Formats: sequence, structure tokens, C-alpha cells
Amino acid sequence: DADVTQTPRNRITKTGKRIMLECSQTKGHDRMYWYRQDPGLGLRLIYYSFDVKDINKGEISDGYSVSRQAQAKFSLSLESAIPNQTALYFCATRETGANTEAFFGQGTRLTVV
Amino acid sequence: EDQVTQSPEALRLQEGESSSLNCSYTVSGLRGLFWYRQDPGKGPEFLFTLYSAGEEKEKERLKATLTKKESFLHITAPKPEDSATYLCAVQATGSARQLTFGSGTQLTVLP
Repeated sequence: DADVTQTPRNRITKTGKRIMLECSQTKGHDRMYWYRQDPGLGLRLIYYSFDVKDINKGEISDGYSVSRQAQAKFSLSLESAIPNQTALYFCATRETGANTEAFFGQGTRLTVV
Repeated sequence: EDQVTQSPEALRLQEGESSSLNCSYTVSGLRGLFWYRQDPGKGPEFLFTLYSAGEEKEKERLKATLTKKESFLHITAPKPEDSATYLCAVQATGSARQLTFGSGTQLTVLP
């Protein structure tokens, strides 16, 4: 089983619909992140969480919200999806520490039509 | 603001043809520079962390080096299975422990 699991892997949704992307991890890490990846733009940080009670906005948080249900679970919601939120979304975890590597899930390909 | 620029955007090599990928960065203070490999349809996989100028790390056909302004990922005698997108990321001092990623170099190695 993967250390970081994202569901669903692919999703097509309509403009205006609410959608939730889920992430769970078995690494035991406190830090969890949500990124989106667009061609030519690299990975951009949406939200991050250092523990269940600590949620922080990243550089592109508008239009998104998150929930840290437990140490192992971090969900990303699009309250009212719009076409320019079509992208590849990645969840990642990192161990607490100065220069720890990030472990990524397989990604969720989201298409908003 | 932390910035990471990778070049070239895409690189096509013949099998066995060595080359280098570049990652230039601008940060107030570097805590660490990371290299990742990303295969199509998959999440990035960690390759290396470099901490200070002059440091080098190697893994099979890959060698990463670091200066005060840039990092290079040298690929020696590449094979088709080295084809992937290579991502560079930096963590700056005082950056609230976030990583800033470059947009990647898409490497294709032809047999």
C-alpha cells in the first residue's frame, strides 16, 4: 500500500459543484500539504497543516478550504468548482524537522467542465 | 519572495549522451535544496537534498551539485528509463517550513 493515498484519482465535475479530495497517510508525519500542478507552473502550495489544530493558507488558497480530521487525514474542498481549478492535485507529507523530504501521493486529476 | 527557475523546460537526449539540468534560485537564506523525479501520472519522488555550496550527491547516473545561486543535476550516460520530469525545490530560512518548487525539466532519453 502507498504511504500517501489520494482519492479519487480522477474526477470530472461541473461548474458550481462542491467537491472534496481526500488524502490519508501511513507515514506518521505531522505535516501535510496540498499542492496543485499546472503545465509550466510547477507545484503551487494551496494549504498546509503542521498538526490537527494548525491550518495555514498557501500561495493560492482562494476558492479552496481544507479539513485536518486526524493526524493521518487531510481533505481539500472546492466549495464551488470553476473551470480554472482544472489541474492535477497532490497531497504530501513531511516529517517534522529542518530539511525533511516530502512524500507525495499519486495525485488527483480534476476536470471542471 | 523565494524564486526557483529551471532550465531547459524540455531536453531530448540520445541514450548515452550526458548532459546537465539547471536550477537557479533566489532566497533570503537557503536551508536546503531538493531534487525530485516525477513520472507521468505519478507524484514526485525524492532524489537528493543539498544543504550548502560545494556539496555534491550521487545516485546511479545522477549527480547533484550546489553553488550559492544554482544547482545542477548531471546525468551521465542516460538510459531511456531516466526519462521523467525533474523538479527542483528550495526551503528558505524563515520560510515557515514550506518548499518552493520550480516548474521542472522534462527529460526524454531516446534509445
